[in-house]
Amino acid sequence: EAEVAQSPRYKITEKSQAVAFWCDPISGHATLYWYRQILGQGPELLVQFQDESVVDDSQLPKDRFSAERLKGVDSTLKIQPAELGDSAMYLCASSRNREGGYTFGSGTRLTVV
Amino acid sequence: DQQVKQNSPSLSVQEGRISILNCDYTNSMFDYFLWYKKYPAEGPTFLISISSIKDKNEDGRFTVFLNKSAKHLSLHIVPSQPGDSAVYFCAASTGNTPLVFGKGTRLSVIA
Repeated sequence: EAEVAQSPRYKITEKSQAVAFWCDPISGHATLYWYRQILGQGPELLVQFQDESVVDDSQLPKDRFSAERLKGVDSTLKIQPAELGDSAMYLCASSRNREGGYTFGSGTRLTVV
Repeated sequence: DQQVKQNSPSLSVQEGRISILNCDYTNSMFDYFLWYKKYPAEGPTFLISISSIKDKNEDGRFTVFLNKSAKHLSLHIVPSQPGDSAVYFCAASTGNTPLVFGKGTRLSVIA
């Protein structure tokens, strides 16, 4: 079964440092999402891509977060500088259409110290 | 302003009995609803969905019921198994907008 690949699985970084996460969606899935899940909460959307274009980044803290999907395939999410409150699970998902739901990757667990 | 609400943070059920997880929503424009299951240190996995034109969808041991007038949906698991122990998220969308998730309900199935 096809999977969404994410790396790294775990990341510990000091506050004010830069950190980056990578996601490779399922082949053929044009839509890619980055969600953030804080412990005890549900996933919250950060950014949605359709191919290489940003469709929705209204919830992305643009002063420190950036996301790109240059060739419309894999994607990178960056935080600079990281803050203590950024500690969370960062989830990438892709979809072909909404009837099949989203397929999520295993996520990157970020701890900012 | 939470558009999707799961008011029970946790639920414990005996093995073999029915598990009922509930979800309420406030946005009447939502027309597609999904349930996801999440184990620790893994991403959520899609479980079952329902369109607003239906009031029930069944897949094996899992059934989702939708009550549009009450803006309420529920997930029934029968019979519950220990492997069903996980966090269950309710999610909703309108058109092609991204999914909005509830906070989740932790289900514990006790053998």
